[in-house]
Amino acid sequence: NAGVTQTPKFQVLKTGQSMTLQCAQDMNHEYMSWYRQDPGMGLRLIHYSVGAGITDQGEVPNGYNVSRSTTEDFPLRLLSAAPSQTSVYFCASRPLNGATNEKLFFGSGTQLSVL
Amino acid sequence: GESVGLHLPTLSVQEGDNSIINCAYSNSASDYFIWYKQESGKGPQFIIDIRSNMDKRQGQRVTVLLNKTVKHLSLQIAATQPGDSAVYFCAELISGSARQLTFGSGTQLTVLP
Repeated sequence: NAGVTQTPKFQVLKTGQSMTLQCAQDMNHEYMSWYRQDPGMGLRLIHYSVGAGITDQGEVPNGYNVSRSTTEDFPLRLLSAAPSQTSVYFCASRPLNGATNEKLFFGSGTQLSVL
Repeated sequence: GESVGLHLPTLSVQEGDNSIINCAYSNSASDYFIWYKQESGKGPQFIIDIRSNMDKRQGQRVTVLLNKTVKHLSLQIAATQPGDSAVYFCAELISGSARQLTFGSGTQLTVLP
């Protein structure tokens, strides 16, 4: 089972560059989300989606865009990277309809450094 | 203890002893709680969850206790093993339409030989 797959695993950017972090899940989950993890601050929600064509902002959305054209994919875009976006990024998903619990399934993360 | 808001960096226990990781939450409307384990370089993995209509839930070697009166959650790990060394996060869901998980900052558990 692939579960939640994130690419790339590591990335170094220069300030002002753009890039897309990829996330795909093969569990047919309606809900997908992006978190960033900074030292001593736990995981903070950036954006989330409850289905194809539907996205919404989380706690720290500024500087990030998302789209959800399919159930499987939920890319996160940095249009103009800043050093403050240096972090580890996690994609997570879970089912919505008929779910008996609300636990998130996480990818293995993307470590991003912005110089 | 850890709080969804406060930080308890480390907890060291001897191999074979029991571990207790604590978490305080502030929102009385929270109705679902999860514990995650995160090993170095990996994503968080689900350990156990509990709903607010329960006080205790047991899994394999793990027990979660919920005290709604003092808004406190704890994770107990029995017979701690070296493979239990990781960062442990509690997370809460607040009842209502948003249903977004809010995570604590984590506790680093180190198992000593």
